[in-house]
Amino acid sequence: QVQLQQWGAGLLKPSETLSLTCAVYGGSFTDYFWSWIRQSPGKGLEWIGEISYRGVTNYNPSLKSRVTMLADASKNQFSLTLTSVTAADTGVYYCARGGRPRIWGQGTPVTVSS
Amino acid sequence: DIMVTQTPLSLSVTPGQPASISCKSTQSLLHSDGKTYMYWYLQKPDQPPQLLIYEVSIRFSEVPERFSGSGSGTDFTLKISRVEAEDVGVYYCMQSVQFPYTFGQGTKLEIK
Repeated sequence: QVQLQQWGAGLLKPSETLSLTCAVYGGSFTDYFWSWIRQSPGKGLEWIGEISYRGVTNYNPSLKSRVTMLADASKNQFSLTLTSVTAADTGVYYCARGGRPRIWGQGTPVTVSS
Repeated sequence: DIMVTQTPLSLSVTPGQPASISCKSTQSLLHSDGKTYMYWYLQKPDQPPQLLIYEVSIRFSEVPERFSGSGSGTDFTLKISRVEAEDVGVYYCMQSVQFPYTFGQGTKLEIK
């Protein structure tokens, strides 16, 4: 039974960098793409992007200039970095298995506030 | 971006009665690989979304048979044959034929 455990800083100031990591337990890391999705009251669910274990990425163009995803197959982990955050980046961030997400992590609430 | 529009935005259903949610996309979700990429999720209170249906009509692992998906092209429907109390939450459709993948606004289902 695959489980995704995610963590990262939950309170940021404007202009800081959001960093989240997702660890995969159980199941294959190399057989799937892995994705990040966020949820905010204003914008609902928003697909941020996906990454393969080899590091092949596809990002949402609306965030592409600020997003970096990395994958570490030796640790079965992947990460999300979002630079220059603003209040509009406040929300719950989810990691998931599949670029078309099938299994989701529990979510990490992130608040951007001065 | 492909927009997906769900209707209705809220639904109140008596247990045992059917429910139906519509999702319309601004472009066909038929991919060149022959698959149609419409996904349905349910987000129960205080939980992450969980996958119900993928590729229009395929139920995900352990999803009850009362959930079914149908449609083609730009018009899709999620049906619950007999609503149960555990079905409360917000239902989302998602298109994944083209980057960026996009979600509908959500349909909140409550029990009467």
